[in-house]
Amino acid sequence: QSALTQPASVSGSPGQSITISCTGTNSDIGGFNLISWYQQHPGKAPKLMIYEGSKRPSGVSNRFSGSKSGNTASLTISGLQAEDEADYYCYSYAGTGTSNYVFGTGTKVTVL
Amino acid sequence: EVQLVESGGGLVQRGGSLRLSCAASGFTFRDYGMKWVRQAPGKGLEWVSVISGSGNNTYYTDSVKGRFIISRDNSKNTLYLQLNSLRAEDTAVYFCAKCLYSGSDLPGYYYYAMDVWGQGTTVTVSS
Repeated sequence: QSALTQPASVSGSPGQSITISCTGTNSDIGGFNLISWYQQHPGKAPKLMIYEGSKRPSGVSNRFSGSKSGNTASLTISGLQAEDEADYYCYSYAGTGTSNYVFGTGTKVTVL
Repeated sequence: EVQLVESGGGLVQRGGSLRLSCAASGFTFRDYGMKWVRQAPGKGLEWVSVISGSGNNTYYTDSVKGRFIISRDNSKNTLYLQLNSLRAEDTAVYFCAKCLYSGSDLPGYYYYAMDVWGQGTTVTVSS
């Protein structure tokens, strides 16, 4: 099972919106709506930002939103803020084959 | 406060063994699946293994099958990962994480989201 494909980096100015894509296959993203997104600041543990493709856990800002179309999931950050600068990873269930779950390659978000 | 605290990491020679522990508090441990995720230096996240709340069901990523063993002691609220036949490519920070949905023996697809993470413990395999 190959990692889901994310852009290596995305940048934006404060207040702007950015979107991070996460591309998989019919065996993972396309086959299930079981996608989560994580934010990771340097040296810290990941933090759950989105689950079930578009749901936000309690305490996560509504500036973060998720969606899916076909084999691609997306995370949008609106009203970009300095504290949003971090690495972001998508994660998907991948069925009952050889690898049950798969992470994305990760995206570094830079706030200009 | 819901908390996970890992321990047991360290420096080990290639071919050696280690046992990682993850002490949980602040939630009903036996009701949740638990996962190990690792991150090699400068690299992305990789899921390693997951265990159901009861401990009856376990899953492993291909690269660790036959070498790592996940287990839990619900009486001690502790998750374990036994690392055997260690390789240089196992060098990483190992995070334990609580799965989002409650249920002692959920189908595997429920374990795709993790809402609480520990701070990680570092495993270094020397050659």
